[in-house]
Amino acid sequence: KQEVTQIPAALSVPEGENLVLNCSFTDSAIYNLQWFRQDPGKGLTSLLLIQSSQREQTSGRLNASLDKSSGRSTLYIAASQPGDSATYLCAVRNQAGTALIFGKGTTLSVSS
Amino acid sequence: GAGVSQSPRYKVAKRGQDVALRCDPISGHVSLFWYQQALGQGPEFLTYFQNEAQLDKSGLPSDRFFAERPEGSVSTLKIQRTQQEDSAVYLCASSLYTGGAEAFFGQGTRLTVV
Repeated sequence: KQEVTQIPAALSVPEGENLVLNCSFTDSAIYNLQWFRQDPGKGLTSLLLIQSSQREQTSGRLNASLDKSSGRSTLYIAASQPGDSATYLCAVRNQAGTALIFGKGTTLSVSS
Repeated sequence: GAGVSQSPRYKVAKRGQDVALRCDPISGHVSLFWYQQALGQGPEFLTYFQNEAQLDKSGLPSDRFFAERPEGSVSTLKIQRTQQEDSAVYLCASSLYTGGAEAFFGQGTRLTVV
């Protein structure tokens, strides 16, 4: 059974720092991996999608990498801002494409 | 609409009551997912539709939970005889095609069973 783990569970940084969020998964037979952001009381906002054949994706200050063979992904946030404060969720799509399996998330707090 | 729409946004149900939660996916999206998210946890998979076909319902926690998508667009998640442990946010997501397409989520329905 696929399990997704996110470390750390919580992170507090001052504004301007670069930071890395980690995601690991136990079964490398995935279709893709997607990073989401969730603000309190809100739904999930898609940040980046990496297909299983890709190594990384970039969007603005965000860069996500994927090492499928080792079952790891990282989300790099450059020059963090208070508006980046949220919970970040990693999810892998099973090979059949029928489910996204989520980690429990990393709650990020960026102080000004 | 432009995004995935869920209704109602909030629902309070008395224990034992039946509830129905609605999801309007992005127009033309083939795949539709339902998730349950408890407070402080990641979303847990409930069920998956490809058009009107329910291809995976392995995450439904009991036979009190039932989902349908009769015409391949709008979906309804029904919970019969609600219990306190059903209190959670129920999220719906859709993606354009089966497999590797990006998934987009709605705002969720917060269900509180009292």
